[in-house]
Amino acid sequence: QSVLTQPPSASGTPGQRVTISCSGSSSNIGSNYVYWYQQLPGTAPKLLIYRSNQRPSGVPDRFSGSKSGTSASLAISGLRSEDEAEYYCSAWDDSLSGPWVFGGGTKVTVL
Amino acid sequence: QVQLQQWGAGLLKPSETLSLTCAVYGGSFSGGSLNDYYWSWIRQSPGKGLEWIGEINHSGSTNYNPSLKSRVTMSVDTSNNQFSLALSSVTAADTAVYYCARQKFYSFYYGMDVWGQGTTVSVSS
Repeated sequence: QSVLTQPPSASGTPGQRVTISCSGSSSNIGSNYVYWYQQLPGTAPKLLIYRSNQRPSGVPDRFSGSKSGTSASLAISGLRSEDEAEYYCSAWDDSLSGPWVFGGGTKVTVL
Repeated sequence: QVQLQQWGAGLLKPSETLSLTCAVYGGSFSGGSLNDYYWSWIRQSPGKGLEWIGEINHSGSTNYNPSLKSRVTMSVDTSNNQFSLALSSVTAADTAVYYCARQKFYSFYYGMDVWGQGTTVSVSS
């Protein structure tokens, strides 16, 4: 049971926009930044978003993050076949669950 | 280009201690005058999501996952730009791929932007 809640799957056709949600609480998303990671099969995770909506250098602007209250979202616009991967949200948690907690992951399938 | 190279025993028996080391190549281990680096361990059980184990900085300051804290010890070797993880009394539930990762801190955390290649650890009698 993950501290942050994500839908197990999401899908879209090439070119579409896909949004992944991440639900938390006041001790994590509600009071701290959110981070998003992409994990391709058999590889280590890759940082996509930090500080809730900032992209590291080299991450395409097709990926965007947002946060509102105790929830956050990752949007992938102009979906491409190479975006098929597992996506995880993460946040610092001020409660006894922390410090760092992850969501259970969302598998994005490009149809 | 900073790289993390990790290694350690891949097959353990129940009750043994898991020991992994991660070396930092091509970049600073301690950060600089304005920022600090935190070095994390994260694991992923077969078919499961990510679980953060703990983090340590160059001066040895640590944060651990409360659910693993009683069994976890992390340490640094600044002379060799390495950090290590020890997890005692392992059981089959500790079977996972273990990753090391870097995170910069300067007023806030910048996310885990550099990862090791992962080490598969299996616990079986």
